Amino acid sequence: DVKVTQSSRYLVKRTGEKVFLECVQDMDHENMFWYRQDPGLGLRLIYFSYDVKMKEKGDIPEGYSVSREKKERFSLILESASTNQTSMYLCASTDNRGRSQETQYFGPGTRLLVL
Amino acid sequence: GQNIDQPTEMTATEGAIVQINCTYQTSGFNGLFWYQQHAGEAPTFLSYNVLDGLEEKGRFSSFLSRSKGYSYLLLKELQMKDSASYLCAVRALSVHTGDFKTIFGAGTRLFVKA
Repeated sequence: DVKVTQSSRYLVKRTGEKVFLECVQDMDHENMFWYRQDPGLGLRLIYFSYDVKMKEKGDIPEGYSVSREKKERFSLILESASTNQTSMYLCASTDNRGRSQETQYFGPGTRLLVL
Repeated sequence: GQNIDQPTEMTATEGAIVQINCTYQTSGFNGLFWYQQHAGEAPTFLSYNVLDGLEEKGRFSSFLSRSKGYSYLLLKELQMKDSASYLCAVRALSVHTGDFKTIFGAGTRLFVKA
């Protein structure tokens, strides 16, 4: 089974703090994604990566950055956390093989509260 | 632009059948997914349709009509554990980047009552 793990389930930070959210997948997937999920808005793509050291902006990249130094790890960074970044953050990975191409395998999510 | 619409909430009775609809407007369509998400948990993959027609998988079936921009998820013999949000997601070609991306709807929260 594919396993996607995230470093924290719950996180509380203060405005202005730098926040690191880590995601690791163990199935050698090429593609990794960071989403945020807010009530009534669905999943919105922040950043994604198709390869090591490669990153692409999603729909709402402002206030975020990412790092992919190793294939299995994709980090989301909030340089200076703000209260409007309080949300559920979901990491996902996909492979490029077969009919399940682009089926997204999600991590358990990190619920971030910024005070 | 790209848009996905699905009802916000639905309620159904244990043992019954429920159909959750999803309509989409997008260019470069390349597949439609349904995910299930229980409260506080991550979404999990249910089905994938890229051709018109019905795909059946146990109690769950998913239908796609590309010409109508329409899909539905059909849940039979409802169980209490089916209470969850159901996310419709469309994979489409981004006209800006030339890459494929997956766009998610806001989800339909299904309540199954005894």
